[in-house]
Amino acid sequence: QKEVEQNSGPLSVPEGAIASLNCTYSDRGSQSFFWYRQYSGKSPELIMFIYSNGDKEDGRFTAQLNKASQYVSLLIRDSQPSDSATYLCAVNMGITGFQKLVFGTGTRLLVSP
Amino acid sequence: EADIYQTPRYLVIGTGKKITLECSQTMGHDKMYWYQQDPGMELHLIHYSYGVNSTEKGDLSSESTVSRIRTEHFPLTLESARPSHTSQYLCASRGGEQFFGPGTRLTVL
Repeated sequence: QKEVEQNSGPLSVPEGAIASLNCTYSDRGSQSFFWYRQYSGKSPELIMFIYSNGDKEDGRFTAQLNKASQYVSLLIRDSQPSDSATYLCAVNMGITGFQKLVFGTGTRLLVSP
Repeated sequence: EADIYQTPRYLVIGTGKKITLECSQTMGHDKMYWYQQDPGMELHLIHYSYGVNSTEKGDLSSESTVSRIRTEHFPLTLESARPSHTSQYLCASRGGEQFFGPGTRLTVL
């Protein structure tokens, strides 16, 4: 079992719809979680982070965290073709002071006009 | 906006050459990382550092080496480049959040 798992997709949604991206992780002690967006040929760009159970909203993006289920998700409302990219889930793992992010393989999102 | 820089952005070089990929950040972050990523594929951590004079190998075995003599600088060196080293190399640094540099696309002929 991988430490951070994502469905590779592609996830196809029409413009204006809600895109839901999911991620599960293995380390029950993980405390911080990150979502990155990566356009083809570019480097990953941090779009959201979440530390507490529940929802965190930033514009059209909402991150949701359920530590009991070891599950984190990213919702994109009013999806636009410009949102088409690969979305990477990253989970902070390791002992305090020596932690590093463990990345999932990413979910490719396609938003059609 | 993250202030992390990589040079060169693109490099095409012949087999057997020694190369150094530069990475620098102005945020004063102790933690820095090197990742390797082929097109359409996942990120692989190849080296990381938790501070000056600290370097560790990552999850993916790599023939490259790194050094960390100054906080802001984390160069990656390949002593003898081979076609199998062709890839994109991404540098990152971390305070609370982790930010990536723009990457170096390396092609070894």
